[in-house]
Amino acid sequence: ETGVTQSPTHLIKTRGQQVTLRCSSQSGHNTVSWYQQALGQGPQFIFQYYREEENGRGNFPPRFSGLQFPNYSSELNVNALELDDSALYLCASSLEMENYNSPLHFGNGTRLTVT
Amino acid sequence: AQKITQTQPGMFVQEKEAVTLDCTYDTSDPSYGLFWYKQPSSGEMIFLIYQGSYDQQNATEGRYSLNFQKARKSANLVISASQLGDSAMYFCAMREGDTGGFKTIFGAGTRLFVKA
Repeated sequence: ETGVTQSPTHLIKTRGQQVTLRCSSQSGHNTVSWYQQALGQGPQFIFQYYREEENGRGNFPPRFSGLQFPNYSSELNVNALELDDSALYLCASSLEMENYNSPLHFGNGTRLTVT
Repeated sequence: AQKITQTQPGMFVQEKEAVTLDCTYDTSDPSYGLFWYKQPSSGEMIFLIYQGSYDQQNATEGRYSLNFQKARKSANLVISASQLGDSAMYFCAMREGDTGGFKTIFGAGTRLFVKA
């Protein structure tokens, strides 16, 4: 089975710019979650998509937005980048949103640096 | 308020010994799932073990076991016979649902160092 893939692996942007990160879910998974992981910290939940709709959001401003496509792949968009947005962005897919026992399957992440 | 608390920023263990990584959680939902993930220095997050809130027995997966004490809201990870390759960050996580949907939240992590 194909695992979760993210692109690009690294990205450097300037403050105020916009960025789009991409994620392909693991085969058969219909739920995608995005996390921000600052250096030395735990992943912070941004939002989750299930069947192309946002279903759960963490404490992130509206300039963080996303999409999920019919093939369950997903995008994370961040507008008006700030220096504090520099982090590892992790995408994770899971089998069924409703199952408490569905572990997250993570991609290798996109390292975003904002200068 | 913190939902997942990992009080040990760093832990050292001698190779071949056992180590316990602590995790406490906070939820008012009777249904939830608890997970442990490993993150090596390469960055990928690896699922290790799962415990459901209604599970009567502690979960085990090879050298990993989860010491689940529901009344104390703790879900400690026990790694037996530590190996050098166990050196990594370890995250405790909880999956819960509310009106906004299901989500998995993570603790701050514990960095484990295995000494030869």
